[in-house]
Amino acid sequence: NAGVTQTPKFQVLKTGQSMTLQCAQDMNHEYMSWYRQDPGMGLRLIHYSVGAGITDQGEVPNGYNVSRSTTEDFPLRLLSAAPSQTSVYFCASRNTRDTEAFFGQGTRLTVV
Amino acid sequence: GDSVTQMEGPVTLSEEAFLTINCTYTATGYPSLFWYVQYPGEGLQLLLKATKADDKGSNKGFEATYRKETTSFHLEKGSVQVSDSAVYFCALGDDYKLSFGAGTTVTVRA
Repeated sequence: NAGVTQTPKFQVLKTGQSMTLQCAQDMNHEYMSWYRQDPGMGLRLIHYSVGAGITDQGEVPNGYNVSRSTTEDFPLRLLSAAPSQTSVYFCASRNTRDTEAFFGQGTRLTVV
Repeated sequence: GDSVTQMEGPVTLSEEAFLTINCTYTATGYPSLFWYVQYPGEGLQLLLKATKADDKGSNKGFEATYRKETTSFHLEKGSVQVSDSAVYFCALGDDYKLSFGAGTTVTVRA
């Protein structure tokens, strides 16, 4: 059972480039989320989804897009990378509000 | 909105010392509360949880009790080991989202 799989693990982008961070889960979870982790700030919610075809903004959505065409996949798109988007990104999935969230291993992104 | 305030670190302890990390929350509804742990270079994993007032979550010697009257969910362990060195996050789950505290880095020295 793979759980939550994120790719890539590391990425360096130049300012203005675009890219997609991939996230897939094989647990048939309805809820999926993207977070960014910055020193001293914990994890901040970027976007989340409560099911296929349904997405919503979190705390820090600017500069990012998401889509949820299937239950399994929840990609995060950086439209035009900026140095302020240098961070570690985590994808998570969970089944209900009372159950634990399962996290991917993270993507360390550096924008130069 | 919902939020979590967590004791700032870093915290450095000797092996077998007592650990407590304070966590308080603000929420409009009746959230579930979680403690997650992150070991170096890894993602977050659930340490323990409590889904209603007065519930006690426990795992690997760690405990936390959901206190509605003080809106708190403090993490405790009676005797820490070097292997407990990690970053600990308190989190609040309401509806579809999790809100995290800033994280507390704990280092245990042999």
